[in-house]
Amino acid sequence: EPEVTQTPSHQVTQMGQEVILRCVPISNHLYFYWYRQILGQKVEFLVSFYNNEISEKSEIFDDQFSVERPDGSNFTLKIRSTKLEDSAMYFCASRGQRNTEAFFGQGTRLTVV
Amino acid sequence: KNQVEQSPQSLIILEGKNCTLQCNYTVSPFSNLRWYKQDTGRGPVSLTIMTFSENTKSNGRYTATLDADTKQSSLHITASQLSDSASYICVVSFGGGGNKLTFGTGTQLKVEL
Repeated sequence: EPEVTQTPSHQVTQMGQEVILRCVPISNHLYFYWYRQILGQKVEFLVSFYNNEISEKSEIFDDQFSVERPDGSNFTLKIRSTKLEDSAMYFCASRGQRNTEAFFGQGTRLTVV
Repeated sequence: KNQVEQSPQSLIILEGKNCTLQCNYTVSPFSNLRWYKQDTGRGPVSLTIMTFSENTKSNGRYTATLDADTKQSSLHITASQLSDSASYICVVSFGGGGNKLTFGTGTQLKVEL
């Protein structure tokens, strides 16, 4: 069964460092997302990506965040200068057409120290 | 403001019993409603997805209902099993392309012997 894969599963980084979280969406999907979940809180939308550009982003997704689909298969989330409050689980998701289910990856646990 | 509220916040039931989880939403324009199961430290896994015109949808022991007039949904779990212990999240998709998912806070279900 096709699945969304994310790497690494756990990343520890020092405050102020740049991190890149990687995702391989399901191959024939068209819409790609990043979400995050701070420990004990609900999942929050960060950004959606369609047709090689950002289609929507939340207020969390400030200038420190960027997304890229560099080679048509990978979908990356970059945090330019990490802060302690960026510590969270980051989930990548993808889906096909409208009203189809979104498939989530297993997440990357980011710990900023 | 688009919001998804769930109740109860947590629930403990005995194995073999049934339970019903509730979801109320104030999301507009509504595209579809999904129920996800999230095990601790894992990505959400889709259980059901319903569009505006669907009132009920089943997936094995899971049955979801949707009342688009009152903006309420429920997830009924039949004959619970220990492996049903997880967070159950109501997620509403809105916008013209159904592009953005708004997550509820989830109901933490624990099934005990």
